[in-house]
Amino acid sequence: GAVVSQHPSWVICKSGTSVKIECRSLDFQATTMFWYRQFPKQSLMLMATSNEGSKATYEQGVEKDKFLINHASLTLSTLTVTSAHPEDSSFYICSRSRQYTEAFFGQGTRLTVV
Amino acid sequence: AQSVTQLDSHVSVSEGTPVLLRCNYSSSYSPSLFWYVQHPNKGLQLLLKYTSAATLVKGINGFEAEFKKSETSFHLTKPSAHMSDAAEYFCVVSPTLFQGGKLIFGQGTELSVKP
Repeated sequence: GAVVSQHPSWVICKSGTSVKIECRSLDFQATTMFWYRQFPKQSLMLMATSNEGSKATYEQGVEKDKFLINHASLTLSTLTVTSAHPEDSSFYICSRSRQYTEAFFGQGTRLTVV
Repeated sequence: AQSVTQLDSHVSVSEGTPVLLRCNYSSSYSPSLFWYVQHPNKGLQLLLKYTSAATLVKGINGFEAEFKKSETSFHLTKPSAHMSDAAEYFCVVSPTLFQGGKLIFGQGTELSVKP
């Protein structure tokens, strides 16, 4: 069964509103989780590393104020897309992994901003 | 620096024929390598992994891959394609110390299977 659960699987929101995506580690207390963005027909782009109990580490070019990440517990990380605009429409995927082991991915969230 | 290159953006095969998806990597250290499959609008599923044990790795659904250090390759193969194999495939490396689980993805290869 799934070891990483991501919700919602799809969401449509109006431009200017905020959307929260949840990612839960079901079988392992994950101090670190990862958030990716995937454009159509492209590979995954790492957005940020979510760290339990501390600030997220963002990749270069990712807007910290637009993509808020909270890792309040060892099993839950959330990504909030604030003041969403159509260009934020994308497929967002979370994962958890440990060094030198495979990553487990959530089901992904299709965000459409209208 | 670590990198992963998937040599084909799209591969098309007929059902029942062999599949070859090519992947080359660059890593300063002995890497861990993975192949993942992604069906449309879905997350990624692990097919197989190499973590410095046997160089020929067998995965799920009849897939296997061979780690060749001299060629810095980790090509994915399957003897006989099935229609359900049509998907996007990613070669991934977990590169070095101090990366804390951060992964590097190849560009992806779309596999089409014709009846």
